[in-house]
Amino acid sequence: DVKVTQSSRYLVKRTGEKVFLECVQDMDHENMFWYRQDPGLGLRLIYFSYDVKMKEKGDIPEGYSVSREKKERFSLILESASTNQTSMYLCASSETFPGYNEQFFGPGTRLTVL
Amino acid sequence: QKEVEQNSGPLSVPEGAIASLNCTYSDRGSQSFFWYRQYSGKSPELIMSIYSNGDKEDGRFTAQLNKASQYVSLLIRDSQPSDSATYLCAVTANSGNTPLVFGKGTRLSVIA
Repeated sequence: DVKVTQSSRYLVKRTGEKVFLECVQDMDHENMFWYRQDPGLGLRLIYFSYDVKMKEKGDIPEGYSVSREKKERFSLILESASTNQTSMYLCASSETFPGYNEQFFGPGTRLTVL
Repeated sequence: QKEVEQNSGPLSVPEGAIASLNCTYSDRGSQSFFWYRQYSGKSPELIMSIYSNGDKEDGRFTAQLNKASQYVSLLIRDSQPSDSATYLCAVTANSGNTPLVFGKGTRLSVIA
């Protein structure tokens, strides 16, 4: 079974703090994704990566950055956390070949910024 | 802007009935279609994938795809209270590293 893990289930941070969210997958998937999910807005793609050291902006990259130094790990960084970044953050991974695009999600991190 | 539309619900069905969830998409080039189930407070779980026109059955679940109408649906037979969740439709072009486009989900409530 594909396993995607995230470093924390719940996180509380203060405005202005730098926040790191970590995601690790154990299935040698090429692609990794970061989403946030808010009531009424659905899943919104923040960033994704299709290879080590590669990154692509999603729909809402402002205020976020990412790092992918190893294939299995994809980090989301909030450079200076703000209250409007309070949300559920979901990491996902998928393989490039054979190209079925099935994405598998981690358990999520519920971030609260005070 | 590629869009995936779902009725937000809630869709209420009695236990044992068939639940029918619908999804339309705007990108005619879409090739891969998925249904995810998401329980409250949990992450989405992949339950069905479909790639060609027609029906695909897996246990109590049937996915139906009609590319000409840009329409995909999920039928849940013999609905159980444990099926109560939000169901997300996701669509993508057939490129290995293309992100999925998700609908906002339909909330299903199965009444015992």
